[in-house]
Formats: sequence, C-alpha cells, structure tokens
Amino acid sequence: DARVTQTPRHKVTEMGQEVTMRCQPILGHNTVFWYRQTMMQGLELLAYFRNRAPLDDSGMPKDRFSAEMPDATLATLKIQPSEPRDSAVYFCASGLVSGFAQYFGPGTRLTVL
Amino acid sequence: TQLLKQSPQFLSIQEGENLTVYCNSSSVFSSLQWYRQEPGEGPVLLVTVVTGGEVKKLKRLTFQFGDARKDSSLHITAAQPGDTGLYLCARGGSNYKLTFGKGTLLTVNP
Repeated sequence: DARVTQTPRHKVTEMGQEVTMRCQPILGHNTVFWYRQTMMQGLELLAYFRNRAPLDDSGMPKDRFSAEMPDATLATLKIQPSEPRDSAVYFCASGLVSGFAQYFGPGTRLTVL
Repeated sequence: TQLLKQSPQFLSIQEGENLTVYCNSSSVFSSLQWYRQEPGEGPVLLVTVVTGGEVKKLKRLTFQFGDARKDSSLHITAAQPGDTGLYLCARGGSNYKLTFGKGTLLTVNP
C-alpha cells in the first residue's frame, strides 16, 4: 500500500527556532508538492519539484522558507526563523508528471508559539 | 482573487438525506478534481473530470462537470456519517499544478 509519509506529524516550537519537515514521496512518483493549509486561506501551494528540480516556489516566503529534494526519496521544507503566523498544517503530495492526480501525506501540524 | 468558489461553506445534515455541493469559477477549467479530507488526514482524490457535461458516479456520489467547464457539482445520495469531511475541488493548471477551493465542510449526523 504505497503512501506518502511525512515527519514529524506534530511540531510545537518557539518563535525564532528552525523547523524542518520531511516527506517521502511514493516510490516512482516524479513530482512533489508542498502545501500549507489554514482555516483562513485554505490549501495553498508553496513549492513543487519535478524530477527533483524545483519548478515553482512562488508561493513560498523566500526570506524564511526553503524547499529541497536531496534525493528521489526525500523532500524537505525548512522554516528559519519560524514565526507564529507560520502555524498551519503542511502537506506534501506526490504524483506522476503524466497526470493531475496528487497523493497527499498525512501532514505536519506546526504550532509556533 | 478566489479562482474557485465552493458552496456552501458548511453543511450539517442527518443520515439518509441527500445533498449537493458546488464548485464555480469565472474561467474555464481544463480539468477538475474532487478530493475528500477527513480530520487529521490529507486530501484523498475522489474523481477527475475533463469533458464538459461529463457525469461520473462513485457509489453514492455523483460528480457533474458543467457543459461550459466553469462549474462542477457533487451530489451525495443517502448520506452516511462516514461521508463526513471537507470536500475540496481543484482545477488543473500549467505544469500539473492544482489550485484548490476552500472546501465545503460536511457533517452527517447519525
């Protein structure tokens, strides 16, 4: 049963601390997406990769957020320094370049105090 | 600018009732997807529609894509508590990017 996995599932941190979220896409999927979900804004695309290359990170605050794919089995989203307004659920999704279907992980719930 | 408008925002019904939720845009979709998200989980793809007028059925769920490809509806027959969740529509864009609506939060009470 192939699934996208994300770690950690929950993270509570203090303002100013660095946060790293990790995602393991489904084996064989060559596109990876990072989303942020809040009550106010809904599900927003932050960044996405195709074949490990970043294609679009226009949804991401550049000064504090960074996304990387060091290899085909790992995608990371880093926030440094974190701020209370970053509190949200962050989802990773993966898919195949041949279609629109995206498969979401369970999310990382981030709380910045 | 909200590209996709979903209505209603909230819906609470009794088990056994029928319901319809809507997804609308002022511009044409190349494709549209419906997802369901349960509490504490990520969205799960239910269906993709690409052809104007297309109707797809998934058990008690019926999805319709408008003839002009600017709107879509999801109809649930005889709703069950297991149908509770956030229903999201998403339009396909360039480079297989998806833009999501804010969703309809459905609660089916036993």
